[in-house]
Amino acid sequence: DIQMTQSPSSLSAFVGDRVTILCRASQSVYTYVSWYQQRPGKAPNLLIYAASTLQPGVPSRFSASASGRDFTLTIDSLQAEDFATYYCQQTYTYPRTFGQGTRVEVK
Amino acid sequence: VQLVQSGPEVIQPGESLTISCQTSGYNFAKFWIAWVRQVPGKGLEWMAIFFPGDSDTKYNPSFEGQFSMSSDRSRSTAYLHWSSLRASDTATYFCARHRTSGDGKYDAFDFWGQGTTVTVSS
Repeated sequence: DIQMTQSPSSLSAFVGDRVTILCRASQSVYTYVSWYQQRPGKAPNLLIYAASTLQPGVPSRFSASASGRDFTLTIDSLQAEDFATYYCQQTYTYPRTFGQGTRVEVK
Repeated sequence: VQLVQSGPEVIQPGESLTISCQTSGYNFAKFWIAWVRQVPGKGLEWMAIFFPGDSDTKYNPSFEGQFSMSSDRSRSTAYLHWSSLRASDTATYFCARHRTSGDGKYDAFDFWGQGTTVTVSS
């Protein structure tokens, strides 16, 4: 199975901060990566697919990029509703593995 | 598009269970349904996917043999079934619509159910 390793596992930030989350694949997955946000007690919500394409309806402060096996999710000007856990997922092979998650907490 | 899952369950070890995922707002037969497990306090785990159009399945080898999937196209509903649950199956189970693009590049789980919490305890 392809392993998706996220870093950091958690971070603390202020409202208004810029936050970056890294996801590294254990082997090449090209640009076959999605990102999800999960608020406590809720279902995940799709943010990004194909490594950098914003899902319709997702605020433009969310962006993502890819470089080789490294994938980055950036949140510009963090809002109160963005405090949540974020997961990357590779869609290159089965099983479609998720990263372990990055929890974004209030500082 | 909506996916509405059945309610929470408390089950004894060894019992069987079926949970459901009722969909609406799209052609049920044309999209894969994914099942994702989340153990309390842990991350997301991709379990398997099911295609209602022809009942095709793809399983995560880590989960294969532990459950089965089915659907009722007349009800636009997908099911996840266990024949004998264990305490380690305690988790929240999500269904999601799996949008696919053939080669996987644009694949994503674009709509999710609210989750069904399954507690296995004696």
